[in-house]
Amino acid sequence: AQSVTQPDIHITVSEGASLELRCNYSYGATPYLFWYVQSPGQGLQLLLKYFSGDTLVQGIKGFEAEFKRSQSSFNLRKPSVHWSDAAEYFCAVGSGYSTLTFGKGTMLLVSP
Amino acid sequence: EAGVAQSPRYKIIEKRQSVAFWCNPISGHATLYWYQQILGQGPKLLIQFQNNGVVDDSQLPKDRFSAERLKGVDSTLKIQPAKLEDSAVYLCASNPDGDTQYFGPGTRLTVL
Repeated sequence: AQSVTQPDIHITVSEGASLELRCNYSYGATPYLFWYVQSPGQGLQLLLKYFSGDTLVQGIKGFEAEFKRSQSSFNLRKPSVHWSDAAEYFCAVGSGYSTLTFGKGTMLLVSP
Repeated sequence: EAGVAQSPRYKIIEKRQSVAFWCNPISGHATLYWYQQILGQGPKLLIQFQNNGVVDDSQLPKDRFSAERLKGVDSTLKIQPAKLEDSAVYLCASNPDGDTQYFGPGTRLTVL
């Protein structure tokens, strides 16, 4: 069965500092990997996705993620965090039309 | 391009009452999903439609939950009767091409 682990429930980062959110997955085949962001009271917005090819993918809002097959990881990074990045971040795994399996999310807090 | 539309945005009911949620996917998206997101967790799939046919409803509590997508466009999710543990955000998503799911803003249900 597929699963996603986001080991950090909360992370606090100073504005302007770099960010890395961790994601580990378990999937039997070649995974499709996603990062979504959810602001309070809002739905999920797609940040980036990985299907194949270059293992470093660029997304919106200055985010990037790196797929590491050997570590079953797909960590999200941003070089300089802005206060508006405070939100909850979800990693998900799936394949094609199949359902997505989500992690429990990481809440990002940005301090001044 | 308009996004996934959901209504209502918020609903408060008492246990044992009935409730219905509506979703209109992005135009042309054949695949539609309903997810349940309980506070502090990632979304969990309830049901997946391809056009007006059900692809996966294995996690739908069929004794109280039902969903339909009669004309292959918009969809309705119903709970009858509601229980306290049904309090959650109900998210609708649609998928145009087998790769990426796009989410609506969700309906927040509170069962008292």
